[in-house]
Amino acid sequence: DTAVSQTPKYLVTQMGNDKSIKCEQNLGHDTMYWYKQDSKKFLKIMFSYNNKELIINETVPNRFSPKSPDKAHLNLHINSLELGDSAVYFCASSRRTPGGAETQYFGPGTRLLVL
Amino acid sequence: QKEVEQDPGPLSVPEGAIVSLNCTYSNSAFQYFMWYRQYSRKGPELLMYTYSSGNKEDGRFTAQVDKSSKYISLFIRDSQPSDSATYLCAMWSTGTASKLTFGTGTRLQVTL
Repeated sequence: DTAVSQTPKYLVTQMGNDKSIKCEQNLGHDTMYWYKQDSKKFLKIMFSYNNKELIINETVPNRFSPKSPDKAHLNLHINSLELGDSAVYFCASSRRTPGGAETQYFGPGTRLLVL
Repeated sequence: QKEVEQDPGPLSVPEGAIVSLNCTYSNSAFQYFMWYRQYSRKGPELLMYTYSSGNKEDGRFTAQVDKSSKYISLFIRDSQPSDSATYLCAMWSTGTASKLTFGTGTRLQVTL
């Protein structure tokens, strides 16, 4: 009954490799996100998709390419991994409350370590 | 200057204490204010959200927003060891491509 799930949980890889992280939500939300959390716990948005359409792209290197095959899935592919890509990547999905706020629900995170 | 500033802590308090966690922000367009709790090695979970200025209470938690001062607070009454986590404030404004902007989080440790 997991709401937002991500795979894999841990990813250790060499510099220069290409890797993908997958995200699925079963909440029926229309909007999904990718965030990067660095070692100082700062959570920064990378991308947002609404109904499979990209709506936010926050100055992320084009080595990062999100793909949304349907509104329940948002995957993140990273080419030519660099040391600085080591972080925890969180997927989230959101719904709009009756009051108008977007409340976001986060996955458990994918811990990426680039060696 | 970051849009949202939050003291990273750590903040250590004894069990039963009242905890006050705070954020300041610079963007007056923010309308929705949220608090997330993040346990170690877990994803953030939404605790509370408020719209505009005022207070909101939920059990031991009270969220307070002062838009005139661009200052928000989260109070935890009767703190428990299980409250030990990082607390992140987040803010959101409506508009095209609106997004949540997070503070850096305050690490709270409640000791026995």
